[in-house]
Amino acid sequence: QKEVEQDPGPLSVPEGAIVSLNCTYSNSAFQYFMWYRQYSRKGPELLMYTYSSGNKEDGRFTAQVDKSSKYISLFIRDSQPSDSATYLCAMSGGGGYNKLIFGAGTRLAVHP
Amino acid sequence: NAGVTQTPKFQVLKTGQSMTLQCAQDMNHNSMYWYRQDPGMGLRLIYYSASEGTTDKGEVPNGYNVSRLNKREFSLRLESAAPSQTSVYFCASSGTGTGGQPQHFGDGTRLSIL
Repeated sequence: QKEVEQDPGPLSVPEGAIVSLNCTYSNSAFQYFMWYRQYSRKGPELLMYTYSSGNKEDGRFTAQVDKSSKYISLFIRDSQPSDSATYLCAMSGGGGYNKLIFGAGTRLAVHP
Repeated sequence: NAGVTQTPKFQVLKTGQSMTLQCAQDMNHNSMYWYRQDPGMGLRLIYYSASEGTTDKGEVPNGYNVSRLNKREFSLRLESAAPSQTSVYFCASSGTGTGGQPQHFGDGTRLSIL
C-alpha cells in the first residue's frame, strides 16, 4: 500500500463547475500538507500549503485537511479552462531532511 | 526571478552513454533534490542534499550519482544510461527548517534512452 493515494483521473468538468480533488494517506505523522499544480511539460508549482488540520482559502482555491480521517482535499470554485492541469498532493512529517511524499497526481480538464 | 533552472531541457542518449544533468537555484536555499517522474508513479526521490557538502540517497538511487558543487548547484550523473532511466527528471530546492518546507521545482529534463 502506498503512503499517499490519489485518484489519477482524468477528471473532466465544464467551465464554472466546483472541482473536488482528494488524497488519502496512511502515516499519522504527517503534519504538513501541500498541493502542487503541474501544467503539461512544466514543473510542479506550489499552489496551497497547510499545517495540521483545518481549512485554508486562497482566491478560488480551498484546501482542507482532516487528520482524523487521514484525508485532504482541494476545492476549486468557478473552474476555468486555465485550471486544466495535473494536481499533486504532497505531505511531510517534519523533522529530518524535509522529505515530501507525493501522490501520483490527478489530471483535470476544464472544458469551455 | 529564475528560481530553479535545469539544463538541458531534452536529451536523447544511447544505452551505455553517460551524461550530467545540471541544476541551479537562485533562492539561497540550503536543500536540493533530484526526482524522476514516470506515468502513474508520481515523483520519486533519487538523491537529495540537505546542505552544501552533503548528499544522501533517496528512494531510487541505483544507476545515478550526484554532486553538490556549491550552494547553488546540484548535478545528477548517469554513468551508463539504461532504457529504464527514460523519464522526466526534476530538480527542486527548499529552505531548511523543522520540516514541511515547500519545495520549488524546475521545469524538468526530458531524457530518452534508446
